[in-house]
Amino acid sequence: KQEVTQIPAALSVPEGENLVLNCSFTDSAIYNLQWFRQDPGKGLTSLLLIQSSQREQTSGRLNASLDKSSGRSTLYIAASQPGDSATYLCAVSHNQGGKLIFGQGTELSVKP
Amino acid sequence: NAGVTQTPKFRILKIGQSMTLQCTQDMNHNYMYWYRQDPGMGLKLIYYSVGAGITDKGEVPNGYNVSRSTTEDFPLRLELAAPSQTSVYFCASRVTGELFFGEGSRLTVL
Repeated sequence: KQEVTQIPAALSVPEGENLVLNCSFTDSAIYNLQWFRQDPGKGLTSLLLIQSSQREQTSGRLNASLDKSSGRSTLYIAASQPGDSATYLCAVSHNQGGKLIFGQGTELSVKP
Repeated sequence: NAGVTQTPKFRILKIGQSMTLQCTQDMNHNYMYWYRQDPGMGLKLIYYSVGAGITDKGEVPNGYNVSRSTTEDFPLRLELAAPSQTSVYFCASRVTGELFFGEGSRLTVL
């Protein structure tokens, strides 16, 4: 059974810092991995999608990497801003259109 | 496109009552999902559908039912509401890759 873990559960950094959020999964036979952002009281917004054949994806200040063999993904946020404060969740899927299995999320707080 | 629309946004139920959470998407997505999110937890899959007329159970289906008569709609039915069903419910849809979420429905059972 696939298990997805995100450590730490919460992280607080000063504005301007570069930071890394971690996601690990127990079954490496994934189809893709997705990173989401969730603001308080809101739904989830997709940030980056990495297919199993890819090593990384970039969007603006965000860079997500994937190492299937070790069962790990990282989300790198450059030059953090207070507006980046949110909960970040990762999720894996084992096939096309298949159900996503989520980690518990990392709550990020960026202090001005 | 409105994306994924959920109604109602908030609802309070008494124990034993029933209700339906509505979910509609206008992106012609085949795959649709219902998740619940409890405080401090990730999302747990309740039911999902790979197309009209086809549904399947997720991790936590007990106490819920779904139907998928059209591509656009995927309602979630709660029968005999229990306090354990107090949660935030999210509907989502996709074609194959990126998953799109609704804003959520916050349900309290007292």
